[in-house]
Amino acid sequence: KAGVTQTPRYLIKTRGQQVTLSCSPISGHRSVSWYQQTPGQGLQFLFEYFSETQRNKGNFPGRFSGRQFSNSRSEMNVSTLELGDSALYLCASSSTAASGNTIYFGEGSWLTVV
Amino acid sequence: GEDVEQSLFLSVREGDSSVINCTYTDSSSTYLYWYKQEPGAGLQLLTYIFSNMDMKQDQRLTVLLNKKDKHLSLRIADTQTGDSAIYFCARGTYKYIFGTGTRLKVLA
Repeated sequence: KAGVTQTPRYLIKTRGQQVTLSCSPISGHRSVSWYQQTPGQGLQFLFEYFSETQRNKGNFPGRFSGRQFSNSRSEMNVSTLELGDSALYLCASSSTAASGNTIYFGEGSWLTVV
Repeated sequence: GEDVEQSLFLSVREGDSSVINCTYTDSSSTYLYWYKQEPGAGLQLLTYIFSNMDMKQDQRLTVLLNKKDKHLSLRIADTQTGDSAIYFCARGTYKYIFGTGTRLKVLA
Protein backbone atom coordinates (compact mmCIF):
# COMPACT_ATOMS: atom_id res chain seq x y z
CA LYS A 1 0.00 0.00 0.00
CA ALA A 2 1.54 3.29 -1.06
CA GLY A 3 2.15 5.91 1.59
CA VAL A 4 1.31 9.57 1.59
CA THR A 5 2.82 11.23 -1.47
CA GLN A 6 3.74 14.88 -1.60
CA THR A 7 4.85 16.91 -4.58
CA PRO A 8 7.04 18.70 -5.25
CA ARG A 9 9.70 17.61 -2.77
CA TYR A 10 11.79 20.75 -3.12
CA LEU A 11 11.06 24.18 -4.48
CA ILE A 12 12.42 27.67 -4.38
CA LYS A 13 10.17 30.69 -4.73
CA THR A 14 10.63 34.44 -4.61
CA ARG A 15 8.99 36.73 -2.09
CA GLY A 16 5.56 37.82 -3.25
CA GLN A 17 4.97 34.74 -5.39
CA GLN A 18 2.48 32.03 -4.60
CA VAL A 19 2.95 28.29 -4.30
CA THR A 20 0.74 25.23 -4.49
CA LEU A 21 1.70 21.96 -2.82
CA SER A 22 0.01 18.67 -3.52
CA CYS A 23 -0.72 15.66 -1.34
CA SER A 24 -2.08 12.23 -2.24
CA PRO A 25 -3.23 10.37 0.86
CA ILE A 26 -2.97 6.67 1.55
CA SER A 27 -5.60 4.84 -0.45
CA GLY A 28 -8.86 4.77 1.47
CA HIS A 29 -7.92 7.61 3.80
CA ARG A 30 -10.39 10.46 3.73
CA SER A 31 -8.85 12.87 6.21
CA VAL A 32 -5.89 14.98 5.15
CA SER A 33 -4.09 17.45 7.37
CA TRP A 34 -1.22 19.83 6.78
CA TYR A 35 1.59 20.93 9.09
CA GLN A 36 4.37 23.44 8.84
CA GLN A 37 7.74 22.59 10.36
CA THR A 38 10.36 25.25 11.03
CA PRO A 39 13.39 25.24 13.33
CA GLY A 40 11.99 28.11 15.36
CA GLN A 41 8.32 27.15 15.70
CA GLY A 42 8.52 23.38 15.40
CA LEU A 43 5.54 21.50 14.02
CA GLN A 44 2.41 23.58 13.69
CA PHE A 45 -1.00 22.53 12.47
CA LEU A 46 -2.30 24.36 9.42
CA PHE A 47 -5.64 22.73 8.59
CA GLU A 48 -7.46 19.45 8.21
CA TYR A 49 -9.89 18.32 5.53
CA PHE A 50 -12.38 15.51 5.53
CA SER A 51 -14.66 14.71 2.63
CA GLU A 52 -13.75 17.96 0.85
CA THR A 53 -14.64 20.09 3.89
CA GLN A 54 -12.22 21.95 6.10
CA ARG A 55 -12.92 20.61 9.53
CA ASN A 56 -10.19 22.24 11.58
CA LYS A 57 -7.92 25.20 11.10
CA GLY A 58 -4.78 26.34 12.87
CA ASN A 59 -3.62 29.86 13.62
CA PHE A 60 -2.17 30.85 10.28
CA PRO A 61 -2.98 33.95 8.22
CA GLY A 62 -5.42 33.83 5.34
CA ARG A 63 -2.52 33.60 2.87
CA PHE A 64 -2.49 29.91 3.72
CA SER A 65 -5.36 28.01 2.19
CA GLY A 66 -6.18 24.51 1.16
CA ARG A 67 -8.70 22.30 -0.47
CA GLN A 68 -9.56 18.66 -0.87
CA PHE A 69 -10.88 16.94 -3.95
CA SER A 70 -13.44 14.19 -4.26
CA ASN A 71 -10.66 11.58 -4.55
CA SER A 72 -9.28 12.84 -1.17
CA ARG A 73 -6.21 14.39 -2.76
CA SER A 74 -5.43 17.75 -1.23
CA GLU A 75 -3.61 20.90 -2.15
CA MET A 76 -2.42 23.78 -0.06
CA ASN A 77 -1.66 27.21 -1.38
CA VAL A 78 0.40 30.01 0.07
CA SER A 79 -0.03 33.40 -1.55
CA THR A 80 2.22 36.46 -1.31
CA LEU A 81 5.12 34.44 0.01
CA GLU A 82 7.27 35.82 2.80
CA LEU A 83 10.77 34.79 3.82
CA GLY A 84 9.31 33.33 7.01
CA ASP A 85 7.25 30.87 5.00
CA SER A 86 10.40 28.89 4.28
CA ALA A 87 9.70 25.55 5.90
CA LEU A 88 9.03 21.89 5.49
CA TYR A 89 5.34 21.39 4.76
CA LEU A 90 4.06 18.02 5.82
CA CYS A 91 0.87 16.36 4.76
CA ALA A 92 -0.70 13.56 6.76
CA SER A 93 -3.66 11.28 6.21
CA SER A 94 -5.85 9.10 8.39
CA SER A 95 -8.54 6.60 7.68
CA THR A 96 -11.60 7.69 9.61
CA ALA A 97 -13.27 10.71 11.07
CA ALA A 98 -13.09 9.19 14.53
CA SER A 99 -11.23 11.17 17.13
CA GLY A 100 -7.77 10.02 18.05
CA ASN A 101 -7.16 8.25 14.79
CA THR A 102 -3.55 7.79 13.86
CA ILE A 103 -2.13 10.02 11.16
CA TYR A 104 0.55 9.01 8.70
CA PHE A 105 2.91 11.55 7.22
CA GLY A 106 4.41 12.07 3.81
CA GLU A 107 8.03 12.99 3.22
CA GLY A 108 7.18 16.66 2.99
CA SER A 109 7.72 19.54 0.60
CA TRP A 110 10.72 21.72 1.31
CA LEU A 111 9.89 25.33 0.44
CA THR A 112 12.59 27.99 0.33
CA VAL A 113 11.54 31.59 -0.16
CA VAL A 114 14.27 33.95 -1.33
CA GLY B 1 -3.13 24.90 27.56
CA GLU B 2 -1.77 23.01 24.60
CA ASP B 3 1.89 22.77 25.55
CA VAL B 4 3.74 19.54 25.00
CA GLU B 5 7.29 19.69 26.23
CA GLN B 6 10.34 17.55 25.65
CA SER B 7 14.01 17.83 26.47
CA LEU B 8 16.01 18.86 23.41
CA PHE B 9 18.90 16.42 23.40
CA LEU B 10 19.79 12.93 24.52
CA SER B 11 23.03 11.08 23.94
CA VAL B 12 23.47 7.36 24.64
CA ARG B 13 25.95 4.64 23.82
CA GLU B 14 25.09 1.92 21.36
CA GLY B 15 23.49 -1.02 23.15
CA ASP B 16 22.24 1.06 26.08
CA SER B 17 18.60 1.96 26.66
CA SER B 18 17.29 5.39 25.74
CA VAL B 19 14.47 7.09 27.58
CA ILE B 20 12.81 10.09 25.98
CA ASN B 21 10.41 12.06 28.13
CA CYS B 22 7.43 14.22 27.36
CA THR B 23 5.08 16.25 29.52
CA TYR B 24 1.78 17.77 28.52
CA THR B 25 -0.74 20.08 30.11
CA ASP B 26 -4.02 19.09 28.43
CA SER B 27 -5.18 15.61 29.37
CA SER B 28 -8.22 15.49 27.12
CA SER B 29 -6.58 13.52 24.31
CA THR B 30 -7.66 9.95 23.82
CA TYR B 31 -4.37 8.89 22.29
CA LEU B 32 -0.75 9.94 22.67
CA TYR B 33 1.80 9.28 19.96
CA TRP B 34 5.50 8.95 19.31
CA TYR B 35 6.96 9.85 15.94
CA LYS B 36 10.52 9.60 14.60
CA GLN B 37 12.05 11.99 12.08
CA GLU B 38 15.29 11.22 10.32
CA PRO B 39 17.25 13.96 8.52
CA GLY B 40 15.47 15.25 5.46
CA ALA B 41 12.48 12.99 5.96
CA GLY B 42 8.90 13.18 7.14
CA LEU B 43 7.57 11.83 10.40
CA GLN B 44 7.36 8.10 10.92
CA LEU B 45 4.80 6.78 13.39
CA LEU B 46 6.56 4.63 15.97
CA THR B 47 3.82 3.78 18.39
CA TYR B 48 0.86 5.18 20.28
CA ILE B 49 -0.90 4.57 23.55
CA PHE B 50 -4.52 4.86 24.50
CA SER B 51 -5.07 7.22 27.40
CA ASN B 52 -6.57 4.53 29.65
CA MET B 53 -3.39 2.43 29.41
CA ASP B 54 -0.32 2.75 31.60
CA MET B 55 2.13 0.90 29.43
CA LYS B 56 2.50 -0.45 25.93
CA GLN B 57 5.35 -2.56 24.62
CA ASP B 58 6.19 -3.03 20.95
CA GLN B 59 9.42 -4.93 20.28
CA ARG B 60 12.26 -2.64 21.45
CA LEU B 61 9.87 0.19 22.29
CA THR B 62 8.11 0.66 25.63
CA VAL B 63 5.73 3.54 26.23
CA LEU B 64 4.84 4.55 29.76
CA LEU B 65 2.00 6.91 30.56
CA ASN B 66 1.54 8.57 33.93
CA LYS B 67 -1.79 10.32 33.67
CA LYS B 68 -1.60 11.83 37.12
CA ASP B 69 1.66 13.61 36.33
CA LYS B 70 0.79 14.07 32.62
CA HIS B 71 4.04 12.42 31.70
CA LEU B 72 4.75 10.19 28.74
CA SER B 73 7.99 8.37 28.06
CA LEU B 74 9.46 6.27 25.27
CA ARG B 75 12.09 3.71 26.12
CA ILE B 76 14.19 2.23 23.32
CA ALA B 77 15.98 -0.93 24.37
CA ASP B 78 19.36 -1.89 22.87
CA THR B 79 19.68 1.46 21.10
CA GLN B 80 21.38 1.28 17.71
CA THR B 81 23.07 3.92 15.56
CA GLY B 82 20.08 3.73 13.23
CA ASP B 83 17.93 5.05 16.06
CA SER B 84 19.68 8.41 15.83
CA ALA B 85 16.91 10.85 14.90
CA ILE B 86 14.52 13.41 16.35
CA TYR B 87 11.66 11.95 18.36
CA PHE B 88 8.38 13.79 18.78
CA CYS B 89 5.58 13.09 21.17
CA ALA B 90 2.15 14.29 20.13
CA ARG B 91 -1.39 14.38 21.39
CA GLY B 92 -4.65 15.27 19.74
CA THR B 93 -7.51 14.17 17.57
CA TYR B 94 -8.00 15.90 14.23
CA LYS B 95 -5.36 18.45 15.19
CA TYR B 96 -2.15 17.13 16.66
CA ILE B 97 -0.07 19.12 19.10
CA PHE B 98 3.57 18.14 18.87
CA GLY B 99 6.35 18.47 21.35
CA THR B 100 9.52 20.31 20.47
CA GLY B 101 11.30 17.08 19.62
CA THR B 102 14.23 15.31 21.28
CA ARG B 103 17.34 14.79 19.21
CA LEU B 104 18.75 11.37 20.05
CA LYS B 105 22.39 10.78 19.26
CA VAL B 106 23.70 7.24 19.53
CA LEU B 107 27.43 6.90 20.06
CA ALA B 108 29.16 3.84 18.64
